[in-house]
Amino acid sequence: KAGVTQTPRYLIKTRGQQVTLSCSPISGHRSVSWYQQTPGQGLQFLFEYFSETQRNKGNFPGRFSGRQFSNSRSEMNVSTLELGDSALYLCASSREWGTGELFFGEGSRLTVL
Amino acid sequence: AQSVTQLDSQVPVFEEAPVELRCNYSSSVSVYLFWYVQYPNQGLQLLLKYLSGSTLVESINGFEAEFNKSQTSFHLRKPSVHISDTAEYFCAVRSYNTDKLIFGTGTRLQVFP
Repeated sequence: KAGVTQTPRYLIKTRGQQVTLSCSPISGHRSVSWYQQTPGQGLQFLFEYFSETQRNKGNFPGRFSGRQFSNSRSEMNVSTLELGDSALYLCASSREWGTGELFFGEGSRLTVL
Repeated sequence: AQSVTQLDSQVPVFEEAPVELRCNYSSSVSVYLFWYVQYPNQGLQLLLKYLSGSTLVESINGFEAEFNKSQTSFHLRKPSVHISDTAEYFCAVRSYNTDKLIFGTGTRLQVFP
């Protein structure tokens, strides 16, 4: 059974650009969560989607957005990139909404120059 | 609001020595508790969880954690560590009345030969 797949694994952008990150959950999992991981802040919750609906949102500015498709795949988008957006973005899936039993991908490492 | 505190950012220990990684949480309602592990350049993996029932929970690789409601703690222990246990360990909490999984800032366990 394939795990959570995130693409791209690494990317470099410049300030002001936008970026889209993709996440394919484990087959049969309907919930996808996104986290931002940085050395100073640890893991910060971005949002959680279930059945194409955003069920929870963290305390990030509106530049951070996401969506989930009918096949449960999810994307997150960050517009007008800032240097502080450099981080590892982790996607996690779970079978149902609201469970703490998450299966994580290896992440997309974003560097903003 | 719920929160998680991991008091130790780094824990160095020699191989075969015992280790305890501390985790305290705050929540006004009952909680589910988790420990996740992140090996270098990988995503997070669920190590063990407390949902209900016995307050002592164990993982398949020798770690255990005990839920202490009066002290609002969920410390992770292992009686004898191996080099391969070197990783970052994250404590996480989800309250009954919210669906966000909130992580602590992590503890880096470094096992020396």
